[in-house]
Amino acid sequence: QVQLVQSGAEVKKPGASVKVSCKASGYTFTSYDINWVRQATGQGLEWMGWINPNSGNTGYAQKFQGRVTITRSTSINTAYMELSSLRADDTAVYYCARGRFLEWLQPFDYWGQGTLVTVSS
Amino acid sequence: EIVLTQSPGTLSLSPGERATLSCRASQSFSSDYLAWYQQKPGQAPRLLIYGASNRATGIPDRFSGSGSGTDFTLTISRLEPEDFALYYCQQYGSSLFGGGTKVEIK
Repeated sequence: QVQLVQSGAEVKKPGASVKVSCKASGYTFTSYDINWVRQATGQGLEWMGWINPNSGNTGYAQKFQGRVTITRSTSINTAYMELSSLRADDTAVYYCARGRFLEWLQPFDYWGQGTLVTVSS
Repeated sequence: EIVLTQSPGTLSLSPGERATLSCRASQSFSSDYLAWYQQKPGQAPRLLIYGASNRATGIPDRFSGSGSGTDFTLTISRLEPEDFALYYCQQYGSSLFGGGTKVEIK
């Protein structure tokens, strides 16, 4: 069965960086985009960006341009999201989610369990 | 950039009642790319509806979606206790989400 398993909770100081991983199983990793979505406590869903695991191509929401980097390792079917220059308002649960299939747009049909990132001095 | 506005912010209903949730877009787009998600506390979102009206795998038929252009609707025909949750719409061409509607027990 399709699974996306994320790395564990992180506590970071302001100004630091965090890197969250998302390991995919149960499907062909290179056939579907991986997206990253975050959710601050009590807030809505905020899309951050995507990666095509086959090509390595990425796209980022304007709000996060310059601060987020999404990468992948096809040898271990894992995508990564690194967010730099952390601020207190980056405290949120970060999710990975499976998206586009090859060239066909599709909704986010499978999600990771979420990773809580806390930014605090 | 398309902005999705969901209304109402909170819907207070009783089990067995009908829920109607709205998602309005700032500009028209193809209904092929409208999705609805359900999220319960402490859980990741779950895909309910895609292509505006297609139920995802395993979603009960009390959930239905409709709409086109700029106006989309999620309807829950008869609320079950497990349906009280947050609901989000998404235009998955741009990946952007609406602000959400909370369906709470009255």
